[in-house]
Formats: sequence, structure tokens, C-alpha cells
Amino acid sequence: DQQVKQNSPSLSVQEGRISILNCDYTNSMFDYFLWYKKYPAEGPTFLISISSIKDKNEDGRFTVFLNKSAKHLSLHIVPSQPGDSAVYFCAASARGGGKLIFGQGTELSVKP
Amino acid sequence: NAGVMQNPRHLVRRRGQEARLRCSPMKGHSHVYWYRQLPEEGLKFMVYLQKENIIDESGMPKERFSAEFPKEGPSILRIQQVVRGDSAAYFCASSPDRTGEQYFGPGTRLTVT
Repeated sequence: DQQVKQNSPSLSVQEGRISILNCDYTNSMFDYFLWYKKYPAEGPTFLISISSIKDKNEDGRFTVFLNKSAKHLSLHIVPSQPGDSAVYFCAASARGGGKLIFGQGTELSVKP
Repeated sequence: NAGVMQNPRHLVRRRGQEARLRCSPMKGHSHVYWYRQLPEEGLKFMVYLQKENIIDESGMPKERFSAEFPKEGPSILRIQQVVRGDSAAYFCASSPDRTGEQYFGPGTRLTVT
């Protein structure tokens, strides 16, 4: 029962263009969503989060959009840089916090 | 300004041995979480602890696995009688409270031979 899904295992983007990573969820109890970036042999690094009371949150080159009716969120990276190449995980938590439920990850490759 | 620390970074055990994984949370964080990442998969929640208490162990296998977070010292994830299927990367995360961002350590890569 995959409650958080990232349907694209990989994404390739040209440097300077926009990267859009997508995530879908099924559990309507989720009210807090996060994106993490992970390099091989390292732990995930927190990027950006959004609460269900918002539909957009922006931090520098990173913007997360939340569509509650569609149970869908996306991470936009503009402009993409080669150093952004990594695996990106979306995660969700239910009311009250605690455990995070992760998607399977999307491997982003930004080509110079 | 130390982040979440985990040791060892790599651990090799023979089938049937015990594995002990340690996690020191970030300074000021009293909430600790353990996750496991099997090859080609995402991270799966195992257990959530707050000093001396297990808050949520819904992701822990019923047998051989245990976790603690004592009043003093690091959190320990213990796996008894390891099997090959336990080979994975085990990540610890911490947070200052129950809600909000969790900050991850570098992980312990367990290999069972």
C-alpha cells in the first residue's frame, strides 16, 4: 500500500531549464509535506516543506506546489544546475506529526 | 554545529550475529526516528522514540528488532540474529518536536554475509 507515489523514476533536464518533480498521495490525513534531496552514500537533506493550509511555498530556486483536491504536489527547481543532480524524495506526515511516509524517489540528472 | 551522527557508517555481520546501530541526535533534539532503505526502494519508517519512550513502533518487524533512546547516550537500533534480508541502509533522523522537519544522519550500511 504505497501511500506516497513518485511515478517517474528518473528525469533529465538541461542546465538552466526548469525541473519539475511530481508526487501523489492517497491518504487524506496527510497535512504536511516535505521534499528531501539525497546523494549516493549520504543521508537525505531537507529541502523545503509545505503545510496543507497553503498551496505554494518558495525558497530561492525551489518552489513546492500543493493541490489538495488532486492529492498532488510538485517541486519546481528554477534554474536547474548540475549540482542539483541527485535523488529527490517527497514525504508526508499525518496530523500530529511523527513518522514520515516517503515516495520511491526520482533521480534528477541536470546536464551541462 | 554537529548534525545527526550515526556509527558505524559500515557494518558487516555474518548471519546469526547481532547488529547494533547508534544514533546521536542534533543538539536540542529529543525526538529520534529510524528508517530503513532497501536496495532500489524508498525510505521506510521503522520506529519513533522520545527520550526513554517508544512513541510509535508500527514499522518495526515483530521479531529480532528493538530500539531504545535512553536518558543518557545515543539511540540504539538492535537487530538480533541477522539474516541476509536485513542488509540495507539504516538512517536515523531527529527533530526538536513532533511536527516539522526531520534531519537525517549519514546512515549505517549493514551488510549481512
